[in-house]
Amino acid sequence: NAGVMQNPRHLVRRRGQEARLRCSPMKGHSHVYWYRQLPEEGLKFMVYLQKENIIDESGMPKERFSAEFPKEGPSILRIQQVVRGDSAAYFCASSPFGRQIETQYFGPGTRLLVL
Amino acid sequence: DQQVKQNSPSLSVQEGRISILNCDYTNSMFDYFLWYKKYPAEGPTFLISISSIKDKNEDGRFTVFLNKSAKHLSLHIVPSQPGDSAVYFCAASERNSGGSNYKLTFGKGTLLTVNP
Repeated sequence: NAGVMQNPRHLVRRRGQEARLRCSPMKGHSHVYWYRQLPEEGLKFMVYLQKENIIDESGMPKERFSAEFPKEGPSILRIQQVVRGDSAAYFCASSPFGRQIETQYFGPGTRLLVL
Repeated sequence: DQQVKQNSPSLSVQEGRISILNCDYTNSMFDYFLWYKKYPAEGPTFLISISSIKDKNEDGRFTVFLNKSAKHLSLHIVPSQPGDSAVYFCAASERNSGGSNYKLTFGKGTLLTVNP
């Protein structure tokens, strides 16, 4: 049973370019969460999605960042016009039911470097 | 404002001894707490959790203690093994209006090194 898959594992972008990060949840999981880890920091919640729905995007920066989880295919975190401060590790997690208390299983992360 | 604090950036223990990792929180609405372990270049791996209705939860070599009045929790690893060397993150969540605890708030982590 494959775990949470993220790609690419490493992504280098120049300032002003777009970054697209993909996340495939564990089989049978329909709830996806994105977290960002800045250097020397803990993980910070960004967004929670179910298939075709954004449930909570309270942790997303207001501009340049967007997320989707289409009916078919992986969840995508999109960062437009990247800046150096976007350099971080971006982790995706998934859970099966989105219940009251449920363990989130994390992927290996995408390390974004903005030059 | 950091709601979950792990004040020790690192901890070094001898193999076979006890490792105690500490975590403090400020948000009294947190009611579910988790510990994750992370190796370099990998994602966090769930270790153990505890609900606020309990003060202790045990799973093999891992035990988590919760002191609600002190807003403090700790993870005990006994006996410690070299393979336990990793960064340990404490995380907490509070139930929202919909009854879900999905939004995890993480501490900055503690690097545990277990020496052979």
